Amino acid sequence: GQQLNQSPQSMFIQEGEDVSMNCTSSSIFNTWLWYKQEPGEGPVLLIALYKAGELTSNGRLTAQFGITRKDSFLNISASIPSDVGIYFCAGQGNNDMRFGAGTRLTVKP
Amino acid sequence: GAGVSQTPSNKVTEKGKYVELRCDPISGHTALYWYRQSLGQGPEFLIYFQGTGAADDSGLPNDRFFAVRPEGSVSTLKIQRTERGDSAVYLCASSSARDSYNEQFFGPGTRLTVL
Repeated sequence: GQQLNQSPQSMFIQEGEDVSMNCTSSSIFNTWLWYKQEPGEGPVLLIALYKAGELTSNGRLTAQFGITRKDSFLNISASIPSDVGIYFCAGQGNNDMRFGAGTRLTVKP
Repeated sequence: GAGVSQTPSNKVTEKGKYVELRCDPISGHTALYWYRQSLGQGPEFLIYFQGTGAADDSGLPNDRFFAVRPEGSVSTLKIQRTERGDSAVYLCASSSARDSYNEQFFGPGTRLTVL
């Protein structure tokens, strides 16, 4: 089952607002990843984080790998309608990759 | 270039039947993964192949589930005696290596419905 706690479960925001979501885990991970999934498609990688404390940006997206290696957050600045979708965090240890339950983002124009 | 493809896109079957789900990874990718995604959840790891061999099958829920990759490219996930609880989207992903992290590219999934 899921080992990652992702919050919030869903968000309804106005276009232009900033968004923040996070993931916590009882396990330590070597790599944290953030994915976006749209209906009928598989998840697409947004950001990968490899070191504790690492802060990485990809356009309007910023993510951080927590110092304890048990948490991560994703921020989206100045949201636009095409940001709509489900965002998943994922932690990778030595073997498999574990996903959070997702944050469903709705952006109202 | 072509991404990961999965067939069929939708499969409806009856309880107790056998199903096969196919994954065509990105050409040249040696690592292949199967995940199961239930409604409202994130993908759950099932099995990982490195080449032809299953390097990690710890996520397979029981012995009704089996996967093969005989030539190190296409993989088939096989489910015997399907149950209603098997209904989910089955995702396949491939990557170019495993030892250091390489991005997993996901296919669109096969939506399995067991009636």
